[in-house]
Amino acid sequence: EVQLVESGGGLVQPGRSLKLSCAASGFTFSNYYMAWVRQAPTKGLEWVAYISTGGGSTYYRDSVKGRFTISRDNAKSTLYLQMDSLRSEDTATYYCTTGSFDYWGQGVMVTVSS
Amino acid sequence: DIQMTQSPSVLSASVGDRVTLSCKASQNINKNLDWYQQKLGEAPKLLIYFTNNLQTGIPSRFSGSGSGTDYTLTISSLQPEDVATYFCFQYNSGWTFGGGTKLELK
Repeated sequence: EVQLVESGGGLVQPGRSLKLSCAASGFTFSNYYMAWVRQAPTKGLEWVAYISTGGGSTYYRDSVKGRFTISRDNAKSTLYLQMDSLRSEDTATYYCTTGSFDYWGQGVMVTVSS
Repeated sequence: DIQMTQSPSVLSASVGDRVTLSCKASQNINKNLDWYQQKLGEAPKLLIYFTNNLQTGIPSRFSGSGSGTDYTLTISSLQPEDVATYFCFQYNSGWTFGGGTKLELK
């Protein structure tokens, strides 16, 4: 059974950093592109970042370019999202998904507020 | 960037109704479109991929159709457990979700 379990969320002040993790199991992680998708409270979904199987190719939505970094450790079957210079508009539930967006974690809440 | 517009934003229907949700892309997306169901407090769940393919385990009352810029999700006979928000998603060029249609029981 495919499982994606996010962790690392919480309350953080504007301008600070936070690193999310996503532990994957039930499939061969190293064979899959992976992505992060977020959803602001009572809002719709938006993709945030995308990474190739080996990590050599990464893609970001414009609003997070230069502030967020997606990475992966295939030996640990873990996906990461390093979030720097956080803003209030980054407040959302962050979901880890497979690159075909067919499997999703339960989500982790990130709140950026002073 | 491709924009995805869903209509209506809220839909009220009765159990047993045939329900149709619409999604319009700002340009041709070549059927590269999925539909997701999100229940309150849960992660989105993939229902339909590549316009009209039913994901494993999804009831056959769900179906998808469309081409070019216009796509629809149909529920042939609405059940109480179908109350949720439905999102379309294009991956023809980049990745874009629609704003969602909230489906309620009348």
